[in-house]
Amino acid sequence: EDQVTQSPEALRLQEGESSSLNCSYTVSGLRGLFWYRQDPGKGPEFLFTLYSAGEEKEKERLKATLTKKESFLHITAPKPEDSATYLCAVQATYRDDKIIFGKGTRLHILP
Amino acid sequence: NAGVTQTPKFRVLKTGQSMTLLCAQDMNHEYMYWYRQDPGMGLRLIHYSVGEGTTAKGEVPDGYNVSRLKKQNFLLGLESAAPSQTSVYFCASAGQRSGTQYFGPGTRLLVL
Repeated sequence: EDQVTQSPEALRLQEGESSSLNCSYTVSGLRGLFWYRQDPGKGPEFLFTLYSAGEEKEKERLKATLTKKESFLHITAPKPEDSATYLCAVQATYRDDKIIFGKGTRLHILP
Repeated sequence: NAGVTQTPKFRVLKTGQSMTLLCAQDMNHEYMYWYRQDPGMGLRLIHYSVGEGTTAKGEVPDGYNVSRLKKQNFLLGLESAAPSQTSVYFCASAGQRSGTQYFGPGTRLLVL
């Protein structure tokens, strides 16, 4: 069964304290892995798409990496405005029509 | 370019009442989706559409119906609302085969 597991469920960091969020996935064939950011009371906002193992993408303080079994979202020197829930999702090669979401990691950056 | 919009933003229903949630997108996307998001459950797919005039069931379709009469609009209907349908509903759209989904701001529904 296709599955996406995110860890930890919640993470509290001091401003400037770098860390990583994990997304483990089980899918027969991966077409793409997606990272989204969701602020309270808002819809998810697209961050990155990764397609193959070894691929990396960066945006400001965020860097996403992909292996054959998992993806990491590295947050370097975070600021309070990086506080949000980060969602991971995968799309299988044999399914054009839906994407499987993880439950998310709630990140809180303390000033 | 408004992206994905949802109407209404918030609604309170009594058990047994019906309502329709409207999703509109101006990106000419083929794929549209309706999700519900509940605490501790993540995003769960209700119904989706791969093009105008098509609809299909997702993970949790019971109690909901959908229609895609126009490419830019995707409607979600609740025929007889139940308290278990209290949730936040998100609509999303994606270009054909691209996978990247763009989400609307959500509709908060409370069923009493």
